[in-house]
Amino acid sequence: EPEVTQTPSHQVTQMGQEVILRCVPISNHLYFYWYRQILGQKVEFLVSFYNNEISEKSEIFDDQFSVERPDGSNFTLKIRSTKLEDSAMYFCASSEILAGGPEQFFGPGTRLTVL
Amino acid sequence: AQSVAQPEDQVNVAEGNPLTVKCTYSVSGNPYLFWYVQYPNRGLQFLLKYITGDNLVKGSYGFEAEFNKSQTSFHLKKPSALVSDSALYFCAVRDGMDSSYKLIFGSGTRLLVRP
Repeated sequence: EPEVTQTPSHQVTQMGQEVILRCVPISNHLYFYWYRQILGQKVEFLVSFYNNEISEKSEIFDDQFSVERPDGSNFTLKIRSTKLEDSAMYFCASSEILAGGPEQFFGPGTRLTVL
Repeated sequence: AQSVAQPEDQVNVAEGNPLTVKCTYSVSGNPYLFWYVQYPNRGLQFLLKYITGDNLVKGSYGFEAEFNKSQTSFHLKKPSALVSDSALYFCAVRDGMDSSYKLIFGSGTRLLVRP
């Protein structure tokens, strides 16, 4: 069964450093998303991406964040200068384009620890 | 604004007994509703969704959920719980008027099934 994959599974970085989180969505999906889950809190929407551009972003997704689809398979989230409060589990998701509400399929997540 | 409430942080049930995990929502347009399950150190797994049609929807692993428009609820149910059902359950909603397809998640309910 096709699945969303994410690398790395765990990333430790120093405050102020840049990190890139990588995702490979399901191959025939056209909508891509990033969510995050701070430890013990709810899953929060960060950004959605379709047709090579951001379709919506949350207030969390400030100028320090960017997304890119550099090739036909990868979807990346970059944090330019990490802060302590960026420590969280980051989930990538993808979905088909369907009328109504297609379910999103989530990857296993990348745990980001900012020291 | 869209929101989801899961009023119970934890639900405890004995194996073999029926279980219910509660969820209520608030959206402007038609709701598209989803349940996801998260096992320790894993991503979110899709269980079931309600888009339109029959108010009772069936999903993976014997779970079902009932959409109740008047009570704005989408409670998750299972007739006979298994110890292996112990996990964190998230309800999510998408507003049918929202073109970005983003999901708004509840805070999660931990289900503990005791042998």
